[in-house]
Amino acid sequence: DAMVIQNPRYQVTQFGKPVTLSCSQTLNHNVMYWYQQKSSQAPKLLFHYYDKDFNNEADTPDNFQSRRPNTSFCFLDIRSPGLGDAAMYLCATSEYRTGGAWHEQYFGPGTRLTVT
Amino acid sequence: AQSVTQLGSHVSVSEGALVLLRCNYSSSVPPYLFWYVQYPNQGLQLLLKYTTGATLVKGINGFEAEFKKSETSFHLTKPSAHMSDAAEYFCAVKYNFNKFYFGSGTKLNVKP
Repeated sequence: DAMVIQNPRYQVTQFGKPVTLSCSQTLNHNVMYWYQQKSSQAPKLLFHYYDKDFNNEADTPDNFQSRRPNTSFCFLDIRSPGLGDAAMYLCATSEYRTGGAWHEQYFGPGTRLTVT
Repeated sequence: AQSVTQLGSHVSVSEGALVLLRCNYSSSVPPYLFWYVQYPNQGLQLLLKYTTGATLVKGINGFEAEFKKSETSFHLTKPSAHMSDAAEYFCAVKYNFNKFYFGSGTKLNVKP
């Protein structure tokens, strides 16, 4: 089945130690998103890629970076995690076509990040 | 600024009772509308969506929602709650390009 995969599902890192979360998709969608979700809150968009074009949200801290080396993969890098960065990180995909049909978002299972 | 409001952060119903989760959006332009469900430690799963056409939309697991432009609402309903419906539900809207906006979520508790 086509899907969005996130690895690892659970990640523990130390305060200040860089960490990378990965997302892959078999849907061949041209848009990929990273969200941060804290307990009992709505997902908060960090950034998204439309093809290779990177779109950062204005309030996303510089501590968060992303890479999309190809259509299938997208990475979230947290350069110096703080205790406040402990959260669930959700990857999602969607398809956008200019002037045409588009699709809803498909979410991966998430990676729960713990910062010690 | 666009916004999505979900009334009631927690809703509790008895098994077999009607489920009603409320969602209102702010926009002069009708958006695309979605409801997602999230189980603990899992991603979001699409329940249903409204894009164009029929305003009453049926989704998975017996859920449906009605788009009411005059009320800027997209409330989610299910005639008879099941224990397995206990989860968190998010309303989302898409106005332009690729950005989706989520409501703050409603946790549904189903009592036996």
